[in-house]
Amino acid sequence: NAGVTQTPKFQVLKTGQSMTLQCAQDMNHEYMSWYRQDPGMGLRLIHYSVGAGITDQGEVPNGYNVSRSTTEDFPLRLLSAAPSQTSVYFCASRAQGASGEKLFFGSGTQLSVL
Amino acid sequence: AQSVTQLDSQVPVFEEAPVELRCNYSSSVSVYLFWYVQYPNQGLQLLLKYLSGSTLVKGINGFEAEFNKSQTSFHLRKPSVHISDTAEYFCAVSEPTGGFKTIFGAGTRLFVKA
Repeated sequence: NAGVTQTPKFQVLKTGQSMTLQCAQDMNHEYMSWYRQDPGMGLRLIHYSVGAGITDQGEVPNGYNVSRSTTEDFPLRLLSAAPSQTSVYFCASRAQGASGEKLFFGSGTQLSVL
Repeated sequence: AQSVTQLDSQVPVFEEAPVELRCNYSSSVSVYLFWYVQYPNQGLQLLLKYLSGSTLVKGINGFEAEFNKSQTSFHLRKPSVHISDTAEYFCAVSEPTGGFKTIFGAGTRLFVKA
């Protein structure tokens, strides 16, 4: 039972570099989302998707891009990393439209931007 | 848009003492409410949720929460805590109809001391 898988677990970038955080789920969940976790600020929603080809912005979308070409995968792209993007990133999924159901979380990606 | 306020950033408590973690929410419509727990270096897992019906909700590990619509609160309680309850606790809200976002509070760090 893999659930939600995030890679990499740790990453160090230099300012201006680009990278993609990977997220995959094997539960056939339509809904997938990305959060960042910062001390004292909890989890803030970056982007979410309610199905393949459909994405929307969350609370803090600036500096991040997403796409959803398959049900299973929801990558998060940083086009030009900034120190303000140093954070722990979590991917989460659940059945679409079932906003009363729990989110399944990945184990997180710890990103440092120098 | 919905929002969540967790009133305490840190709560220290002695083992076997009772604890209450406070959460207030804001929304123009009815909501679903959740409490998640994050143990050190792990992802989040669901403790309990309120969708409708009885305002007292029981969750895992002996935790319970009470939904109070008039006070827009959803406080988490446990009558007797254990060292193993040391973790960060997040209150979250989502909207039942047309609402796909789950918004989290800033978190409350519970320290259980021997």
